Amino acid sequence: GAGVSQTPSNKVTEKGKYVELRCDPISGHTALYWYRQSLGQGPEFLIYFQGTGAADDSGLPNDRFFAVRPEGSVSTLKIQRTERGDSAVYLCASSLRVEGRETQYFGPGTRLLVL
Amino acid sequence: RKEVEQDPGPFNVPEGATVAFNCTYSNSASQSFFWYRQDCRKEPKLLMSVYSSGNEDGRFTAQLNRASQYISLLIRDSKLSDSATYLCVVRLDTGRRALTFGSGTRLQVQP
Repeated sequence: GAGVSQTPSNKVTEKGKYVELRCDPISGHTALYWYRQSLGQGPEFLIYFQGTGAADDSGLPNDRFFAVRPEGSVSTLKIQRTERGDSAVYLCASSLRVEGRETQYFGPGTRLLVL
Repeated sequence: RKEVEQDPGPFNVPEGATVAFNCTYSNSASQSFFWYRQDCRKEPKLLMSVYSSGNEDGRFTAQLNRASQYISLLIRDSKLSDSATYLCVVRLDTGRRALTFGSGTRLQVQP
């Protein structure tokens, strides 16, 4: 079946601009996560949705970052006034908890470059 | 101090070798443990979960030592296709479902 998809696959923008990154989770998965991965590092958690609501946004670095999931499926990560330090791969993952076990499946990521 | 620490490597080993990776985690409340594999410029993929009693999946064996807060991965009979970065991952479960990743250990299997 279809996995997690993310668009765009690559995004180049200029410092100060606004960007939106989209994630389509696996159909039926209720949980959705955003992570950010810098070169040479493991992914770092940003925000987690259970259904439509953000259950944990403790990883968002500052108020320039915001994410929504209005219908409990597709999610959009929004970054305002981008900075060069925002350059990274933004990964989305979705999961379904079955009998207490949960596996997160990752999308291919969006490579963001802020010039 | 990072929550999950791994030796970055690279580990360069010949085909057929046995190689072991270790990882330590700092939060003793961590409940779930995993190894993910990440190929260059690709997304992380679950390799295996790690259970308290240790578990094996083909050539891969994972061990957990809760007292020492230490996780290991053993790969036997290495294949060229095992070349990748191996990410050690923990999750609190209680109140926090996000995964916490180590920086990864790079493995290069050579012919």
